[in-house]
Amino acid sequence: AQSVTQPDIHITVSEGASLELRCNYSYGATPYLFWYVQSPGQGLQLLLKYFSGDTLVQGIKGFEAEFKRSQSSFNLRKPSVHWSDAAEYFCAVGGYSSASKIIFGSGTRLSIRP
Amino acid sequence: GAVVSQHPSWVICKSGTSVKIECRSLDFQATTMFWYRQFPKQSLMLMATSNEGSKATYEQGVEKDKFLINHASLTLSTLTVTSAHPEDSSFYICSATLSLPTGSSYEQYFGPGTRLTVT
Repeated sequence: AQSVTQPDIHITVSEGASLELRCNYSYGATPYLFWYVQSPGQGLQLLLKYFSGDTLVQGIKGFEAEFKRSQSSFNLRKPSVHWSDAAEYFCAVGGYSSASKIIFGSGTRLSIRP
Repeated sequence: GAVVSQHPSWVICKSGTSVKIECRSLDFQATTMFWYRQFPKQSLMLMATSNEGSKATYEQGVEKDKFLINHASLTLSTLTVTSAHPEDSSFYICSATLSLPTGSSYEQYFGPGTRLTVT
């Protein structure tokens, strides 16, 4: 069965510090991986996705993620966070078909320390 | 980019009544749409997959007679919460899949969500 695990419920980092949010997945085939961000009361915004090719993926707002098949991981990173990055972050996994359902992790809430 | 809208953005209804939520893909056709619900401070839980012209596929544990889904056209899917109760109060989010021209990749675009409060 497909699943996504985000082991960190809440992370606090100082503004300007680096960030890494962890994501592990379980999927029976080659996964299609996503990171979304949700600000309070807002909808979901796609940060980046991995479909195939280069395992280091660049996204919007300075985020990047690395797909590591051997570790079943797709961790999200940012070298220097800004106060506006405070939000809920969701990792998700889907299949290759456009009709595939996307399963979300439980989310990691990011707080920024001034 | 592609836009998905939901209407209404929020609704309050009395217990026992039914509420319909619309999900539209504004500038693309979507053969597949998805419905999620999200409780406060929790993740998105997939409720069902809505396919144009056919019956929706519900996830385990989701009552299909309570959450009626209709995907009448390639740009519109509706979720009707029948005989709503306070425990149905939640944030309902839809998404629509856009197939990309580059190979078999796709993107899923999310609506802004509908907050349902049942009193």
